[in-house]
Amino acid sequence: DAKTTQPNSMESNEEEPVHLPCNHSTISGTDYIHWYRQLPSQGPEYVIHGLTSNVNNRMASLAIAEDRKSSTLILHRATLRDAAVYYCILRDVYSGANNLFFGTGTRLTVIP
Amino acid sequence: GAGVSQSPSNKVTEKGKDVELRCDPISGHTALYWYRQRLGQGLEFLIYFQGNSAPDKSGLPSDRFSAERTGESVSTLTIQRTQQEDSAVYLCASSDWSTSGGSTDTQYFGPGTRLTVL
Repeated sequence: DAKTTQPNSMESNEEEPVHLPCNHSTISGTDYIHWYRQLPSQGPEYVIHGLTSNVNNRMASLAIAEDRKSSTLILHRATLRDAAVYYCILRDVYSGANNLFFGTGTRLTVIP
Repeated sequence: GAGVSQSPSNKVTEKGKDVELRCDPISGHTALYWYRQRLGQGLEFLIYFQGNSAPDKSGLPSDRFSAERTGESVSTLTIQRTQQEDSAVYLCASSDWSTSGGSTDTQYFGPGTRLTVL
């Protein structure tokens, strides 16, 4: 699977929007973009995924660049509970391996 | 419904001892994964089970590590002759791979087992 690059850390004020960037310049046409997050002392949890079009769900929105070389996870109103490490992961639809490759992610701090 | 459960939640052992870690996946999930997370680091893939297919063991770091799964239910990760470098949180995840294919399946993680090797 192709590699992703994320900032090590970001801060946000509570109740403000947060934009978490992810670069994936070597993405292939068959790579899906997945986001997971890991709250303190817990296992990771799924947030959202997409292929080409922007996606929305109850947790977040995913904005995918037209050339697909970058994407942004958007939390519309950060809460204290959103403080976590956010992982951007690429998964090839034709890959025989189904494990997720977790990099170091972005540690989001939410300031009250 | 019930999520992925793991036991024990914490395990402290002495160097050289064997340990067994257990994972109970979500009922009906055909795929099961083991990952390891060292302090302050991302997750490392260890092994993957999918239905009755041969497991993908490509992530196991040494022959001291092994895992079994009974059908589509419980899995056990065994570490023989533990070393201090094995200290980490061991996470299990399961997914209903059959409905969506590998590229889009959502993996549901358990809370992990924190292993400390003295």
